[in-house]
Amino acid sequence: DTAVSQTPKYLVTQMGNDKSIKCEQNLGHDTMYWYKQDSKKFLKIMFSYNNKELIINETVPNRFSPKSPDKAHLNLHINSLELGDSAVYFCASSKAGAAGELFFGEGSRLTVL
Amino acid sequence: DAKTTQPPSMDCAEGRAANLPCNHSTISGNEYVYWYRQIHSQGPQYIIHGLKNNETNEMASLIITEDRKSSTLILPHATLRDTAVYYCIVREPFYNAGNMLTFGGGTRLMVKP
Repeated sequence: DTAVSQTPKYLVTQMGNDKSIKCEQNLGHDTMYWYKQDSKKFLKIMFSYNNKELIINETVPNRFSPKSPDKAHLNLHINSLELGDSAVYFCASSKAGAAGELFFGEGSRLTVL
Repeated sequence: DAKTTQPPSMDCAEGRAANLPCNHSTISGNEYVYWYRQIHSQGPQYIIHGLKNNETNEMASLIITEDRKSSTLILPHATLRDTAVYYCIVREPFYNAGNMLTFGGGTRLMVKP
């Protein structure tokens, strides 16, 4: 039973499309995150979500929007996809009191053509 | 804002101990040292963390110098499966808006037969 699961694992789409990546955690954690890893392999925090409070990295374009239907889910919606959005996106979760111990999903590789 | 410095790459012979150094000379009193690794094409994996005492778990040992300005992650008997990028991160343990888990460049460890 995967602790943090993301779907889809691979996503290929055209520029201008809108797409979503789903994330679910079954660890009972109260905080969830989205990270982006680009072709140079740098991992960058995009969002964190805790107790209905969303923290946004100021460098993230507003075409990206996370949505959390409940504590176990944090989905990532991307509008008007651009070539530069091609990357691997990782979802993660943690307890707020142990926010240095993140559990990551296996990643979703997005390719924009 | 790089809080840690790690060598970009290291080699280790299979079966030998891998000692991965990290400098964090500006660490503050309430910041912990965390270690993660990312095996190729997988999500980052939490390894271990510590404040000032040495720590050991089933994966690794963490040695923190008395002045806390540097630390070493030790994999006692490295295997080929330990080939990965290892990240050293310093941060406070509790969640807050200004305290997101931020990854630097890490050390690429290559375990060789």
